[in-house]
Amino acid sequence: ETGVTQTPRHLVMGMTNKKSLKCEQHLGHNAMYWYKQSAKKPLELMFVYNFKEQTENNSVPSRFSPECPNSSHLFLHLHTLQPEDSALYLCASSHGTGGTDNEQFFGPGTRLTVL
Amino acid sequence: KQEVTQIPAALSVPEGENLVLNCSFTDSAIYNLQWFRQDPGKGLTSLLLIQSSQREQTSGRLNASLDKSSGRSTLYIAASQPGDSATYLCAGPSGAGSYQLTFGKGTKLSVIP
Repeated sequence: ETGVTQTPRHLVMGMTNKKSLKCEQHLGHNAMYWYKQSAKKPLELMFVYNFKEQTENNSVPSRFSPECPNSSHLFLHLHTLQPEDSALYLCASSHGTGGTDNEQFFGPGTRLTVL
Repeated sequence: KQEVTQIPAALSVPEGENLVLNCSFTDSAIYNLQWFRQDPGKGLTSLLLIQSSQREQTSGRLNASLDKSSGRSTLYIAASQPGDSATYLCAGPSGAGSYQLTFGKGTKLSVIP
């Protein structure tokens, strides 16, 4: 595996379900990001982790819970979601978060549908 | 707060034509700007990263320029091909010294055979 991988690629869940999205980067990067992409809206940054520490939470509802056990893995735990949470969830990584280190590389995304 | 605008929202050109995609940003205190490509339903592919000390960056048929003073960046695609059809996004730091990226809504390019 190379680059940034995400699983599953597609997920359909009910509002009462609990599921998790997984992201893994094979680039030796130290920073990882979760983004949400909804139709006709710009990408929205959700969370940032740098060296496993969360450095940013952009006012994301608590029904989204991130976890970063190490610099290579990032999870997004989902529970009691709403239909408006249906979107493409993208994971990205960068070498660092400062200056020229922040070139970001993206995974293929998870297409989430909440029924 | 950084705002990134991409015009036009959609563009259709015949194969072989050279074209320019535009990106403007409000906060010129950026240290780099990144261009991405996104195919339908897929993730983003990084195309070019221009540092603030550079005015241009080239990769194959792609050339990106950055003019901080005017708050503009352009992506030039030479000799367009149907395989270039995708949405092109630009993104810049959300503020001075910020590592967070603010994205434009993208330009959807269609290259007609």
